[in-house]
Amino acid sequence: KAGVTQTPRYLIKTRGQQVTLSCSPISGHRSVSWYQQTPGQGLQFLFEYFSETQRNKGNFPGRFSGRQFSNSRSEMNVSTLELGDSALYLCASSSAGTYNEQFFGPGTRLTVL
Amino acid sequence: SQQGEEDPQALSIQEGENATMNCSYKTSINNLQWYRQNSGRGLVHLILIRSNEREKHSGRLRVTLDTSKKSSSLLITASRAADTASYFCATDATGGGADGLTFGKGTHLIIQP
Repeated sequence: KAGVTQTPRYLIKTRGQQVTLSCSPISGHRSVSWYQQTPGQGLQFLFEYFSETQRNKGNFPGRFSGRQFSNSRSEMNVSTLELGDSALYLCASSSAGTYNEQFFGPGTRLTVL
Repeated sequence: SQQGEEDPQALSIQEGENATMNCSYKTSINNLQWYRQNSGRGLVHLILIRSNEREKHSGRLRVTLDTSKKSSSLLITASRAADTASYFCATDATGGGADGLTFGKGTHLIIQP
């Protein structure tokens, strides 16, 4: 099976812009979770989608949003970008939900200038 | 919130030696997982141990879990250069809730050839 794919791999934006990141899970996986990784805060859970519904949400401001499509592909959007949003954004898919074995994609490296 | 805390933060050993890293967490859990991350890339799932298990093996990996001390250890035997990576423990709180998997800040392991 093909692994989790994320696009784009690298992105440079300026403050105030918005960005959309995409994730294609492993075929058959209905759970997609998103994480933000920074040197200071480490890995932090953003949200989980399961069968097009947001099932869990971490402690991030409303500028961070996501959605999942009927084919389980997921997108996350960050509006009004801030310098502190610079991070590696990781998507993970699972057949059993966000508390079980996660299969991670390679990540999208977002730099906000 | 960072529930898991790995110790040490960094570890450098010679190829062929064993590497041990520890994880402590704060709340009751259903399971604990270990992941590996190579230099800013996606995470790879190594092993999952359930709260009613005390020890688990997978190839050169041995994981122990002590729920009374809220701690876990990961032992990598006969280390190889390819084991150089960051290792993270991840937990889920038994209350479930909105945190998804909670990751520690990781142990950076360097295997010297």
